[in-house]
Amino acid sequence: AQSVTQLDSQVPVFEEAPVELRCNYSSSVSVYLFWYVQYPNQGLQLLLKYLSGSTLVESINGFEAEFNKSQTSFHLRKPSVHISDTAEYFCAVTPSNSGYSTLTFGKGTMLLVSP
Amino acid sequence: DAGVTQSPTHLIKTRGQQVTLRCSPKSGHDTVSWYQQALGQGPQFIFQYYEEEERQRGNFPDRFSGHQFPNYSSELNVNALLLGDSALYLCASSLEGISPDTQYFGPGTRLTVL
Repeated sequence: AQSVTQLDSQVPVFEEAPVELRCNYSSSVSVYLFWYVQYPNQGLQLLLKYLSGSTLVESINGFEAEFNKSQTSFHLRKPSVHISDTAEYFCAVTPSNSGYSTLTFGKGTMLLVSP
Repeated sequence: DAGVTQSPTHLIKTRGQQVTLRCSPKSGHDTVSWYQQALGQGPQFIFQYYEEEERQRGNFPDRFSGHQFPNYSSELNVNALLLGDSALYLCASSLEGISPDTQYFGPGTRLTVL
């Protein structure tokens, strides 16, 4: 079984400041890792994913996440946030050796960007 | 390219009633998963359908059941509703055989049980 821990339920930050949203996971098997974003009253949108290869993955809107196997972490970072980045961010994992793609999510981190 | 669609958007029911939620997968996708997202929580996996069969199930009681149709669309049924069933129900679709695959989510159905 897998579990995901997002230690920060809320992260307030000023516009143009850097931000890091933390994600740690636990699994007895290798996993794929994902970050999803949920804007108010909407469903989940895939932000980025780590499957294999380079441990640093990037999204098209400036977010990046780094897979650290030894620390079982997949923290999300952005060097300069915008008001429009205000949303709930979910970290998720799925076993890489399973034919079934079911996701285990963390409880989410609310990113609050203020001017 | 149509994404994942769900209906209805919102639903209000009373305890003990039954509800049916519907999902149409992204074009070309054949696998549908359902998740429950309670307020302030991350989504929790309910079950997954492929080839019209439930092939994996999360830790949910038998009151939660589903169905997948030949066109890959899916329904989620919940019987004997409880107050605790109030949540956002998310449908996600993916394509079997593409490894690793990625799940694409619909906007969800907000269920309120009074």
